[in-house]
Amino acid sequence: AQSVTQLDSQVPVFEEAPVELRCNYSSSVSVYLFWYVQYPNQGLQLLLKYLSGSTLVKGINGFEAEFNKSQTSFHLRKPSVHISDTAEYFCAVSTLSGGSNYKLTFGKGTLLTVNP
Amino acid sequence: GAGVSQSPSNKVTEKGKDVELRCDPISGHTALYWYRQSLGQGLEFLIYFQGNSAPDKSGLPSDRFSAERTGGSVSTLTIQRTQQEDSAVYLCASSLLKGVAEAFFGQGTRLTVV
Repeated sequence: AQSVTQLDSQVPVFEEAPVELRCNYSSSVSVYLFWYVQYPNQGLQLLLKYLSGSTLVKGINGFEAEFNKSQTSFHLRKPSVHISDTAEYFCAVSTLSGGSNYKLTFGKGTLLTVNP
Repeated sequence: GAGVSQSPSNKVTEKGKDVELRCDPISGHTALYWYRQSLGQGLEFLIYFQGNSAPDKSGLPSDRFSAERTGGSVSTLTIQRTQQEDSAVYLCASSLLKGVAEAFFGQGTRLTVV
């Protein structure tokens, strides 16, 4: 069975600093990988996704993530954060579950707090 | 519809009462998930409907929780004899079963048990 581990439950940073939110997964089969973001009092929305091809994927709001198959990681990065990036970030993996169906599994989330 | 719709958006109920939460997925999405989000607890998987296959109920926390999906579309999550620890935001998501299976989320139902 697949699982997703987000190593940090909370990450506080100062505005304009770089940030990395870590995500590791375990799966015995090929995966698709996602990062979702949840702004305060809002629903979850897709930030970026890795399907195939280039291991560096770019998403909305200047975020990017790198897929590392050997380390089974998909860390999220931004070179310079803004106050408005304060939100909870969720890593997710989609894998085959029972025949040809796909199932999405989420990590517990990382709360990013950007301070002035 | 254009997105995943959940109702009600807010629900306050007395301890011991039953509640029903509704999810209307995106048309054509054959997979449907329910999650619970409590303060500081992250996203907790509850149940997963995968087309016509038997649902994955492995995340339901107790037998007070149940869910059904009628006609492969609308889903209802029922909590019987609600307890204060059931207070949380309940999120529904839908996706295709095949291919990438990116999930689209509703805005959630905020349940408060008093």
